[in-house]
This record gives sequence, structure tokens and C-alpha cells, in this order.
Amino acid sequence: ETGVTQSPTHLIKTRGQQVTLRCSSQSGHNTVSWYQQALGQGPQFIFQYYREEENGRGNFPPRFSGLQFPNYSSELNVNALELDDSALYLCASSPLMGRNEQFFGPGTRLTVL
Amino acid sequence: DQQVKQNSPSLSVQEGRISILNCDYTNSMFDYFLWYKKYPAEGPTFLISISSIKDKNEDGRFTVFLNKSAKHLSLHIVPSQPGDSAVYFCAANNPEGAQKLVFGQGTRLTINP
Repeated sequence: ETGVTQSPTHLIKTRGQQVTLRCSSQSGHNTVSWYQQALGQGPQFIFQYYREEENGRGNFPPRFSGLQFPNYSSELNVNALELDDSALYLCASSPLMGRNEQFFGPGTRLTVL
Repeated sequence: DQQVKQNSPSLSVQEGRISILNCDYTNSMFDYFLWYKKYPAEGPTFLISISSIKDKNEDGRFTVFLNKSAKHLSLHIVPSQPGDSAVYFCAANNPEGAQKLVFGQGTRLTINP
């Protein structure tokens, strides 16, 4: 059984650019959530996708957007990058829409210069 | 507003002894709590969870205790092993809408031989 995978592992961008991060959910999981983890902090919820629809959003501006595809993989897009967007971006999948534990990928480390 | 707090940034414990990690929360609507463990360059790994209808859940060396009146939970690891050295995150599930996990800031546990 393949776990959650994310690409790329590391990414360096400059302020104002746009970035796309990718996530493949664990086999059999239909819900994907994205989190941002700043240095020294816990992960913060960005949004969640279920059956290709956004199903909840945290306190992040609209320049953070996402997609979920029919195979349940997902993308996180960030426009007009700011220095504070530098963080570890984590994708998590879960098997059901419910109170189950979420399974995390290794993350993408984004650095904005 | 930090709804989930881990007030100890770090903890050092002798191998074989008990490790106790603490977590406080403010939102009385939280109804499901989880502990994750994170190694460097990896995503958080689910450890153990507890529903608000219980006050204790045990899984091998790991036990989570929940005190709803105090809005406090703790993770006990006994006996502690060197491989337990990692950052531990407490998380709470917000039952409103999406399966959104609210994380604490993390506690770095070091097990000394």
C-alpha cells in the first residue's frame, strides 16, 4: 500500500511568483487536506477537498487555491508569493469524511526569496 | 488565538523512564484528539487518538488521557526508548464542517541513553 506522496521535495521561488505543489493520496483515501507548517510551529489547516470539491477552508487568503482530481490526487497553488509563505507544506489524506486520523506526506519545503 | 497549546517546547527523559507530554485546549466543541510524532524531513505520523466520550486510550507503550473539565490531555510513553526522540504534536478535531485538525506548537522529546 503506497502512502501519501508529495512533489517536489524542495522548491525555491522569488516574491511575486506562482507555485504549484502536488500530492497523491494514500490508496483508498478520498479526502485530502493541506496544511502549512512554519518554522517552530504546528501545522495550520489551509483547506480540504472531498470528491473534487473544496470542503472547508482555514484562515488563508484567496491566493491559496487548490484542486482535487478524479483519482483523488490534489494540487495546492499559491499566487503572488510573499516571503511569509516560506514554510513546509503538508498534504494529508483520510479514508472517509469523518473523525478519522489523517495520514501525512513528507511535505514540500518552499523557500521564497 | 491559539486554541491548542503545548506549553513545553522541549522535554528530556532518561531511557526506560516515563515521558509525559501535555496539551491544553480552549475550544469546548473539540470532540476528538490525536497525537502525532514527527521526525526531521518526514511528515507527521499518527500515534494515538481519543474521543471526548472517553478519558483514556491505550496502545502498547502509549497512553493518552483526557480531562475534559480541565480541557487538558496528556500522552504517556512508558518505557521511553531512544527511537521515541522526535517532535510530538497534539491535535484536536473541529467538528464543525470539514475534518480540520487544529495543532499545538509541538514538544521536542529527547530520550537520553
